[in-house]
Amino acid sequence: AQTVTQSQPEMSVQEAETVTLSCTYDTSENNYYLFWYKQPPSRQMILVIRQEAYKQQNATENRFSVNFQKAAKSFSLKISDSQLGDTAMYFCAFKTSGSRLTFGEGTQLTVNP
Amino acid sequence: EPEVTQTPSHQVTQMGQEVILRCVPISNHLYFYWYRQILGQKVEFLVSFYNNEISEKSEIFDDQFSVERPDGSNFTLKIRSTKLEDSAMYFCASTPGTSSNTIYFGEGSWLTVV
Repeated sequence: AQTVTQSQPEMSVQEAETVTLSCTYDTSENNYYLFWYKQPPSRQMILVIRQEAYKQQNATENRFSVNFQKAAKSFSLKISDSQLGDTAMYFCAFKTSGSRLTFGEGTQLTVNP
Repeated sequence: EPEVTQTPSHQVTQMGQEVILRCVPISNHLYFYWYRQILGQKVEFLVSFYNNEISEKSEIFDDQFSVERPDGSNFTLKIRSTKLEDSAMYFCASTPGTSSNTIYFGEGSWLTVV
């Protein structure tokens, strides 16, 4: 069974600074997909970024980028130029083709003015 | 941009009552899911649905739960006899198919059982 671990229950960052959220996973699969979802206080689940395991290049979406280390089974999220609206719970998630999405425990990020 | 829509956004129900949560997945999507999130906990998979049948379910999805796609657009989750521990946010989600593994979530239905 796949597991996803987020070891940082809470993090904080000053506005305009950069923060990195950690995620590790365990799987015996070779082809899979990794995601970061954002859950603001409204509790909606918003896709932030996705990474296909077969791609060596790290995914980027504007201020959001990942550091995907396949051998280490690590998938961290970097948020640059943090904004107050980035305050949310961030979930790392893992999926193989056709299977369920497995979530980590989440990291509560607070961006301070 | 197309999105998954869910109703109701919030429902309060008496313990033992039946509840139906409704979802309209994105129109060209083929796989549908229900997840739940108990307050303060992580998101848990309940069930996946494809080609008008359950393709996978978790240990949480016991006999009190059922899913249905009664017409071409709606996807429902029924909880037959609610318990206090069923209080949670229930998320519907969908994905186009196995070629796209990105799952798109609705805004959730917050169920409170009293």
